[in-house]
Amino acid sequence: ETGVTQSPTHLIKTRGQQVTLRCSSQSGHNTVSWYQQALGQGPQFIFQYYREEENGRGNFPPRFSGLQFPNYSSELNVNALELDDSALYLCASSFDAALNEKLFFGSGTQLSVL
Amino acid sequence: AQSVTQPDIHITVSEGASLELRCNYSYGATPYLFWYVQSPGQGLQLLLKYFSGDTLVQGIKGFEAEFKRSQSSFNLRKPSVHWSDAAEYFCAVGALNSGYALNFGKGTSLLVTP
Repeated sequence: ETGVTQSPTHLIKTRGQQVTLRCSSQSGHNTVSWYQQALGQGPQFIFQYYREEENGRGNFPPRFSGLQFPNYSSELNVNALELDDSALYLCASSFDAALNEKLFFGSGTQLSVL
Repeated sequence: AQSVTQPDIHITVSEGASLELRCNYSYGATPYLFWYVQSPGQGLQLLLKYFSGDTLVQGIKGFEAEFKRSQSSFNLRKPSVHWSDAAEYFCAVGALNSGYALNFGKGTSLLVTP
């Protein structure tokens, strides 16, 4: 069990709405990465935040945005929700922003868009 | 294009039997290789990782994996499976020329029978 917590655990929204997902990173970690996991698929990288700055971004449109706060917690915001945004959203924290750093994943937020 | 392939969507093994989960990758750069496990309703947990050095890597829970550059493979093995190993297993690859993102395969679902 990791120290990464995500809220809420489940969320139902309708198409066109906006949603904010939250992630508290493990103590001592300054890097947060967000992944989208559609049903039956592997996680897909959305973006990473390192010391409050976006540090890399996957192939997701601008309506996916994020923030990292001074305590290194993070938010993922999705505007203009589409049906295909329905997925498990995973947050992972790490001690530093490097490929060889171990990622600690939260249990995720299950988002359903109707 | 960079890709990760897990050829087996589902695998069923008897408790006590050996296990091998396949992973093939296609990357131009020297890859960083990972295996993660995901239990229902949980986030991902790192089993093991390979960056360099000895091509046989030991992980947690009795798992090991072998990096074979000539075959572009990183297969996960366990000599004797326990019922608690039933879960979804993901192979992931990162590369220095791809930033800090991990590219995950679609996963292999492991069922353990008595």
